[in-house]
Amino acid sequence: AIRMTQSPSSLSASTGDRVTITCRASQGISSYLAWYQQKPGKAPKLLMYAASTLQSGVPSRFRGSGSGTDFTLTISSLQSEDFATYFCQQYYTYPAITFGQGTRLEIK
Amino acid sequence: QVTLKESGPALVKPTETLTLTCTVSGFSLSNAGMGVTWIRQPPGKALEWLAHIFPNDEKSYNTSLKNRLTVSKDISKSQVVLTMTNMDPVDTATYYCARIPVVAAEGWFDPWGQGTLVTVSS
Repeated sequence: AIRMTQSPSSLSASTGDRVTITCRASQGISSYLAWYQQKPGKAPKLLMYAASTLQSGVPSRFRGSGSGTDFTLTISSLQSEDFATYFCQQYYTYPAITFGQGTRLEIK
Repeated sequence: QVTLKESGPALVKPTETLTLTCTVSGFSLSNAGMGVTWIRQPPGKALEWLAHIFPNDEKSYNTSLKNRLTVSKDISKSQVVLTMTNMDPVDTATYYCARIPVVAAEGWFDPWGQGTLVTVSS
């Protein structure tokens, strides 16, 4: 199974900061990567798919990039509502799916 | 509007079988384009994909749990049912259902149900 490793595991930042979260696949997955945002007590919400395509309704301050094994999720100017946990997910081996372990973004 | 909602017991005992139901609305389980997935998340931990079921009744299971999982659907009730046998305290988690396209190049989950917390304890 493809292993997805996110870094960092947690991150402290302030409103207005630019932050980057990394997701690395144990083998190449082309651009078959999705990102999700999860707030406490809520279900994950799809942010992005195909590594860099923004889901409808997601603010443009979120940007995804990468292909192969290395991917990033960048939030250009943090808003209060962005403090959450972020997960990456590969679907290269669809229907078998794996997720990263998550990155918790906290207020500094 | 597409919605999914999980239901089932909040508490099960070790060795028991868990049965969860996902009731969907806004799309049909016979829709050629969409399937339903089960995913779980232990408290404070990562997401783990469990199983899919597709419109043609094809199923796919996480190989690490395959022997314990069964997924089925009732189109007339718009429900997908997951059973997991021989429950253990490590299976304590929030269980989610979500919609997934049948196209491999579109293997993301959207939307998700609200989730249901299942605790395994004697």
